[in-house]
Amino acid sequence: GENVEQHPSTLSVQEGDSAVIKCTYSDSASNYFPWYKQELGKGPQLIIDIRSNVGEKKDQRIAVTLNKTAKHFSLHITETQPEDSAVYFCAAPTQGGSEKLVFGKGTKLTVNP
Amino acid sequence: GAGVSQTPSNKVTEKGKYVELRCDPISGHTALYWYRQSLGQGPEFLIYFQGTGAADDSGLPNDRFFAVRPEGSVSTLKIQRTERGDSAVYLCASSLGGTAYNEQFFGPGTRLTVL
Repeated sequence: GENVEQHPSTLSVQEGDSAVIKCTYSDSASNYFPWYKQELGKGPQLIIDIRSNVGEKKDQRIAVTLNKTAKHFSLHITETQPEDSAVYFCAAPTQGGSEKLVFGKGTKLTVNP
Repeated sequence: GAGVSQTPSNKVTEKGKYVELRCDPISGHTALYWYRQSLGQGPEFLIYFQGTGAADDSGLPNDRFFAVRPEGSVSTLKIQRTERGDSAVYLCASSLGGTAYNEQFFGPGTRLTVL
């Protein structure tokens, strides 16, 4: 089955700086990679996702890149703001495009004003 | 519109007791998922429903855990003979269904504490 590794586990940046979180996966058949943001006391919320037929996707200050050869994908947040502080999770389906997701262990991002 | 709701938000029980956790998905979502999240970890898949049937229950840790969705909407996760190791946040999510490409919308979770 799929195995997802996420780094770093914690990340602290100054407001306005960029933040990068990286994930690797093991199943070469995986073709969908979502990123979730979880604020304290809330459930995870999808912020961006990418399918394996593209290498990069952007949505305002957030971007995700995918390297299928190396089996890793990254979340990039530019011009960070204090409200970006949260725990971020990457995920991948267990079997190609199956509905069952395997999540990374999470990255706690702190944006200092 | 209303999102995914879960009740109760917190549940404290004693070892050996039976508990039920409820999930109300977004109206019209045919797929429903249960996850378990331990402190400092990502959500861990438990079971997935497509309509009324459990399409994949491979994540249920043992036969003390059972889930139902009798009318294809509300779901209940049932845990028998609770153990201290069952303490975690239980998350429910729903989606339009079909594949993982459909966004999963999560509820706020039920925090279960087994004393």
